[in-house]
Amino acid sequence: DVKVTQSSRYLVKRTGEKVFLECVQDMDHENMFWYRQDPGLGLRLIYFSYDVKMKEKGDIPEGYSVSREKKERFSLILESASTNQTSMYLCASNAQFYEQYFGPGTRLTVT
Amino acid sequence: SQKIEQNSEALNIQEGKTATLTCNYTNYSPAYLQWYRQDPGRGPVFLLLIRENEKEKRKERLKVTFDTTLKQSLFHITASQPADSATYLCALDPRGNNRLAFGKGNQVVVIP
Repeated sequence: DVKVTQSSRYLVKRTGEKVFLECVQDMDHENMFWYRQDPGLGLRLIYFSYDVKMKEKGDIPEGYSVSREKKERFSLILESASTNQTSMYLCASNAQFYEQYFGPGTRLTVT
Repeated sequence: SQKIEQNSEALNIQEGKTATLTCNYTNYSPAYLQWYRQDPGRGPVFLLLIRENEKEKRKERLKVTFDTTLKQSLFHITASQPADSATYLCALDPRGNNRLAFGKGNQVVVIP
């Protein structure tokens, strides 16, 4: 059974903290994605990686960075968390131009 | 501007009936379109992909159509069941670069 796992289901952080969200996939997919999902705004792409050490900005990259040192692992970093980054964060992976497989999501609250 | 529109109002439907959802898009010419299911607090799950040269795709009780002239996809759940209650998202790849743009989703509630 294919799997995308995320390091935490729920996370509470304080404003200004550095936050790491980790995602691991076991399908040997080249592509990995980080999205955030907010009520009324839908899924929005933060960053995309098409290979190890390769990344592209998505639609809302400000305040975020990413790291992909190994093919199976894609990390999202909030350098200095702010309250407007409170959201559901979803990781996904796929082989080129095929369906995306999503993780269970991390609900992050920044206080 | 480019848009993907799904009905923001929940669709309430009696068990056993067919639920039909609409996805309209503007200013795109996607090569394919995808449908996902999302349950509360969970990640989306892929259901169906339909390509621009396909008029219709089926999977069990699900059927998707794709009309590139109307810029519209219809998603049907036949013989709906309470377990089909969820939010359904359509998604397309606007630039053909494997980056999906998602609609905001349409909630379906199947009433026993």
